[in-house]
Amino acid sequence: GENVEQHPSTLSVQEGDSAVIKCTYSDSASNYFPWYKQELGKRPQLIIDIRSNVGEKKDQRIAVTLNKTAKHFSLHITETQPEDSAVYFCAVYALNFGKGTSLLVTP
Amino acid sequence: EAQVTQNPRYLITVTGKKLTVTCSQNMNHEYMSWYRQDPGLGLRQIYYSMNVEVTDKGDVPEGYKVSRKEKRNFPLILESPSPNQTSLYFCASSLSRGRVAIGTNQPDEQFFGPGTRLTVL
Repeated sequence: GENVEQHPSTLSVQEGDSAVIKCTYSDSASNYFPWYKQELGKRPQLIIDIRSNVGEKKDQRIAVTLNKTAKHFSLHITETQPEDSAVYFCAVYALNFGKGTSLLVTP
Repeated sequence: EAQVTQNPRYLITVTGKKLTVTCSQNMNHEYMSWYRQDPGLGLRQIYYSMNVEVTDKGDVPEGYKVSRKEKRNFPLILESPSPNQTSLYFCASSLSRGRVAIGTNQPDEQFFGPGTRLTVL
C-alpha cells in the first residue's frame, strides 16, 4: 500500500509564529491529500484537503501545498494560536495516514 | 445530524472474552473502515468495506473480524481479545474513499466516530 511519511513528530512554536508539517508519499498516481486535526480526547476532523490538479489551497490561516514531482505535501499554519495545539495527521486518499505531528503552541 | 456513532465508548474486558464494537453512520456512505490508534504509531487501518458484503483487510487485521450486512453498520469483532489489542479504536465513513473525480471540488472527508477505548486485561 501507499507509504506516507510525516515530519516532524513533535513541533513547538510560540504564539504568532508559523508552523509547517511535511508529508511524503510513494505512489505517484495518488491524487487526494487531506489533513486532519485531532484535539486531545477527541476524534480526528478534516481541516483542509487538496487534489493533485492544484498546487496550493488556502483557508484563512491554514494552507496546503503539493509538489507532485517530489511527491510531498505540506500543511502551513500562520499566526498560530494556543487553540491550534493538537495532533495533525496527513493522509493519502481516505486511507493511509501519517503517524501524526503533535503541535504545541505556547503563549 | 450527520454522524458516526460507536458503542461502547469505554470497555474493560479480560483475555479471551469475545466482544463486539458497533459502528453506525447515517450519511449513506459506501465506504467504512476501522482504525486503531496507539501512541507513536498514528492511525492504523484494521479493516475497510467498500460496500455491503464487501470487506477487505487493512494494515493490521490480525485478531479482528468485521461484517457489513447493511450499509449503515460496520461492527468490529474481537473473537478472543488479547492485551496487545488494548487501544483506542475509531470507526470512520466517507463517500468514496477519497477517490472522487479529480475535477470536482467535492470534499471526500472521512467522518470519524467518537472512539472506543478498549482495555484487555
